[in-house]
Amino acid sequence: SQELEQSPQSLIVQEGKNLTINCTSSKTLYGLYWYKQKYGEGLIFLMMLQKGGEEKSHEKITAKLDEKKQQSSLHITASQPSHAGIYLCGADSNSGYALNFGKGTSLLVTP
Amino acid sequence: EPEVTQTPSHQVTQMGQEVILRCVPISNHLYFYWYRQILGQKVEFLVSFYNNEISEKSEIFDDQFSVERPDGSNFTLKIRSTKLEDSAMYFCASRDTLATNEKLFFGSGTQLSVL
Repeated sequence: SQELEQSPQSLIVQEGKNLTINCTSSKTLYGLYWYKQKYGEGLIFLMMLQKGGEEKSHEKITAKLDEKKQQSSLHITASQPSHAGIYLCGADSNSGYALNFGKGTSLLVTP
Repeated sequence: EPEVTQTPSHQVTQMGQEVILRCVPISNHLYFYWYRQILGQKVEFLVSFYNNEISEKSEIFDDQFSVERPDGSNFTLKIRSTKLEDSAMYFCASRDTLATNEKLFFGSGTQLSVL
């Protein structure tokens, strides 16, 4: 089965700083999803990447999928306290029915 | 934006009791899911459901678990005889199609505490 490794496991940054979260797959990614989870709440969809080299942005968050389609990064520019939460990358299972997630990266943004 | 609704938000039960967690997926969606997240751990896939049958399940989803779509709107997860280790946040999700650019919509979760 496909394994998704996320790094770092946790991150504390000062407000205004940039940060990057990585997601590495053991197999080729045919669809890579980024979700955000606020502590104790549900998962909110951020972005989905499909093509090698693809890059998408929403507000101050940019996600990229590498050419080999085995690694994705999520970059936050000028972080704010509202960016705090757990960022999860997910990929379709072999059967295509389910999304499997990495363990997540916990982000805390300090004033 | 349309929402997946889960009830209750919190459920406390005694070990050995049966619990039913309820979900109302987005109305035109065809694929339904249950995930769980034990405190401090990853979000784990339990089961997917399509066309009134299970399409995929994980090894976590053993005989103690069952899912049902009793009517046109609800999707339920039943745990027959709860154990302490079933304590977790349970998320319901739904999806319109299986196209790889089709995201899952998640509910806010039911926090299950087994005492």
